[in-house]
Amino acid sequence: DQQVKQNSPSLSVQEGRISILNCDYTNSMFDYFLWYKKYPAEGPTFLISISSIKDKNEDGRFTVFLNKSAKHLSLHIVPSQPGDSAVYFCAASATHVSFGAGTTVTVRA
Amino acid sequence: NAGVTQTPKFQVLKTGQSMTLQCAQDMNHEYMSWYRQDPGMGLRLIHYSVGAGITDQGEVPNGYNVSRSTTEDFPLRLLSAAPSQTSVYFCASSYSRQGNQPQHFGDGTRLSIL
Repeated sequence: DQQVKQNSPSLSVQEGRISILNCDYTNSMFDYFLWYKKYPAEGPTFLISISSIKDKNEDGRFTVFLNKSAKHLSLHIVPSQPGDSAVYFCAASATHVSFGAGTTVTVRA
Repeated sequence: NAGVTQTPKFQVLKTGQSMTLQCAQDMNHEYMSWYRQDPGMGLRLIHYSVGAGITDQGEVPNGYNVSRSTTEDFPLRLLSAAPSQTSVYFCASSYSRQGNQPQHFGDGTRLSIL
């Protein structure tokens, strides 16, 4: 039973516009949430994280929002750039880290 | 600055064969882990280690063994390969097991079992 779900397998966005990636979770014991980015034939790389006691964390073009009551988090990328085309994994940490299935983002020129 | 190094990058095995996937990190990280990535499933934890000499099972440990004799190395052994073990395997390391510590991943081993 997947505790972290990314219900949108793919997202296409025009260069310069906002990309919004969504993630839902079921385990209320998760204390940290992380986003990873993955290019083909490479391993995932850490992008940004947020503690469960926060509702927002920003790092440059990337902002993560956490809504604990809805058990939902989102990643906003503004503005989207061609190099952002990748697979994005949502992850949540309790005893172990649980990963979502990923969302493939394609940024169109 | 190598980070996490996995070998081999690709491997094809026959059912019943055994093999070892190698993983090494040069960041002096205490926590290391193995994941498998399957379509539509995300990354699932196979085994992990919180330090040399200490290993434990993750979410999907059956059919796999690990050992951690040094801080740097964390090999994953397939005892008797089965087609269900066809997957992409990632090794990762982090400073500690704490949830706020981002993991550093290797580039993966793509394994096919015929």
